[in-house]
Amino acid sequence: GAVVSQHPSWVICKSGTSVKIECRSLDFQATTMFWYRQFPKQSLMLMATSNEGSKATYEQGVEKDKFLINHASLTLSTLTVTSAHPEDSSFYICSARDPAPDEQYFGPGTRLTVT
Amino acid sequence: AQSVSQHNHHVILSEAASLELGCNYSYGGTVNLFWYVQYPGQHLQLLLKYFSGDPLVKGIKGFEAEFIKSKFSFNLRKPSVQWSDTAEYFCAVKHTGTASKLTFGTGTRLQVTL
Repeated sequence: GAVVSQHPSWVICKSGTSVKIECRSLDFQATTMFWYRQFPKQSLMLMATSNEGSKATYEQGVEKDKFLINHASLTLSTLTVTSAHPEDSSFYICSARDPAPDEQYFGPGTRLTVT
Repeated sequence: AQSVSQHNHHVILSEAASLELGCNYSYGGTVNLFWYVQYPGQHLQLLLKYFSGDPLVKGIKGFEAEFIKSKFSFNLRKPSVQWSDTAEYFCAVKHTGTASKLTFGTGTRLQVTL
């Protein structure tokens, strides 16, 4: 199956700093990518939908100024957590949609810890 | 808004036991249904999906799921589990009008003992 990578897999940052997480589709072009957040023992919560070349669509309750999403190419989307706080600590997972077939492939996730 | 319920949060089975994980969703329109598996330390992988047609869907690794529209359910089954099936299982629903947005259940942790 198709492969989606995320980098870094694990990051620790200090409160107030920004962190960028990359999501890449390695062997297909993804016009749409999704960013999820997963809390311990909870479900994946969709944060935003990222379309190549256009602004991301954020889910209700997600601060767009805090979670900046850029989808500059068909194989790369980035999530930047700005002015991170300890409550932003979480597991962030991206997925990329391969239009043919219409299927989503998930990255391995990024564990963010804000101290 | 649609929601997905997985009633079994943690299931422990012995090898060779049969498995059934429940999944119910709360949307009355046309939906696509999925089961994903997340093995320890790995990313989510698609087990099977239902879009239309035969409501009994067969997936990888001997898993199957049955879509029962009248019960808004899509339960996952496997006749005989293996130790290697130990993982987290997520049910997900996509409303066909929501541009591929998936709504996930809370997941079921399956632990298979030898």
